[in-house]
Amino acid sequence: QVQLQVSGPGLVKPSETLSLTCTVSGDSVRSGAYYWTWIRQSPGKGLEWIGYIYYSGTTNYSPSLNSRVTMSMDTSKNQFSLTLRSVTTADTAVYFCARSLSHGFMHVDYWGRGTLVTVSS
Amino acid sequence: DIQLTQSPSSLSASVGDTVTIACRANESISRYLNWYQLKPGEAPNLLIYAASSLQTGVPSRFSGGASGTDFTLTISGLQPEDFATYYCQQSYTTPRNFGGGTKVEFK
Repeated sequence: QVQLQVSGPGLVKPSETLSLTCTVSGDSVRSGAYYWTWIRQSPGKGLEWIGYIYYSGTTNYSPSLNSRVTMSMDTSKNQFSLTLRSVTTADTAVYFCARSLSHGFMHVDYWGRGTLVTVSS
Repeated sequence: DIQLTQSPSSLSASVGDTVTIACRANESISRYLNWYQLKPGEAPNLLIYAASSLQTGVPSRFSGGASGTDFTLTISGLQPEDFATYYCQQSYTTPRNFGGGTKVEFK
């Protein structure tokens, strides 16, 4: 059974950097069959796709966040990470990590539980 | 970017009811449309992919339909565990946007 677990600070100050890590079990982030994906949900709002990283290091980011986002991967720890710079209160959200297929219909087939990150001074 | 318009934003229903949620794309996405169920504090769950393919392990009361750029999620015989929020998502191109969500509440 594939499991994804997000870890990282639950509180970040405005203008600082948000950093989250997703630890994967039951699969390898080196698998070429999947995109390792980040999605968020702001309070009271819908889901927002942030982007993904592929085992080769290729990334694809949402244009609305592209200038502030970086994703990386640590294959030795079977983890992938999200960095979001210069955060504002609008970045307060539950952040999910997930696995998306890299072929076929490219849907998200496994999600982690999500973690709330609050941006506040 | 491809935009998805989901309706209604909320609905009230009773156990045993059949409910249908709609999702319209602003341009062609073929059948690259997926449906997810979200419950507070839980990992979201894939229900339907490729517009009408049922994900393994998902009850058969969930079904998906497609006609052009219009897609539907139908729950036939609502169960207590189905009260949740449902989202459509297109995976035709990036950014892989979601619809605005539909909250299914108990009447």
